[in-house]
Amino acid sequence: DIQMTQSPSSLSASVGDRVTITCRASQSIGNSISWYQQRPGKAPNILIYSAYTLQSAAPSRFSGSGSGTDFTLTISRLQPEDFATYHCQQTYSPPYIFGQGTKLEIK
Amino acid sequence: QLQLQESGPGLVKPSETLSLTCTVSGGSISSNDHYWDWIRQTPGRGLEWIGNIHYTGRTNYSPSLKSRATMSVDTSKNQFSLRLSSVTAADTAVYYCARHRGRDNWFDTWGRGTLVTVSS
Repeated sequence: DIQMTQSPSSLSASVGDRVTITCRASQSIGNSISWYQQRPGKAPNILIYSAYTLQSAAPSRFSGSGSGTDFTLTISRLQPEDFATYHCQQTYSPPYIFGQGTKLEIK
Repeated sequence: QLQLQESGPGLVKPSETLSLTCTVSGGSISSNDHYWDWIRQTPGRGLEWIGNIHYTGRTNYSPSLKSRATMSVDTSKNQFSLRLSSVTAADTAVYYCARHRGRDNWFDTWGRGTLVTVSS
């Protein structure tokens, strides 16, 4: 199985800050990673797929980068609605493993 | 707009079988391009992919659950289902059904999730 190590597990930031979340795959997965946002009590919602392609409904302040084993999700200017939990997922091969999640909290 | 809705018992006894159904509305389950997935979430283990099924009945399971999981599809009802046998407290989780496009493997549509508790 391809394991995904996501960090940090939690992060405190302020509105307007720039934040970065990272995911590392246990082996090379090319650009086969997706990122999800999950608000409390809700299902995850796709933000980015294929490492850097923004889902049509996602705001442009979200961006993804990386290839091979190291990937990042960046939020350029935090908005109040961005405080949520973020998950990475490898889409390279089954089983489709998720990272442990990063909870983004208001400082 | 495609919607998915999970249904099934919220409480299952240890050693029994968990059974959930996902009803698809706003679109057809009989899409050659899509697969229908089950994913669960616990505070300790995060999101865990259980497996998926194609409308033709072709399945793919996570190795960690393959011995206990069975998925089926009913195209006449636009539904797909999960059965997980010999459950323990470790199977207590929020269970989601979801969809992905075959060549992409990311989940574009999710149900709202249903909490299943394993307890006597």
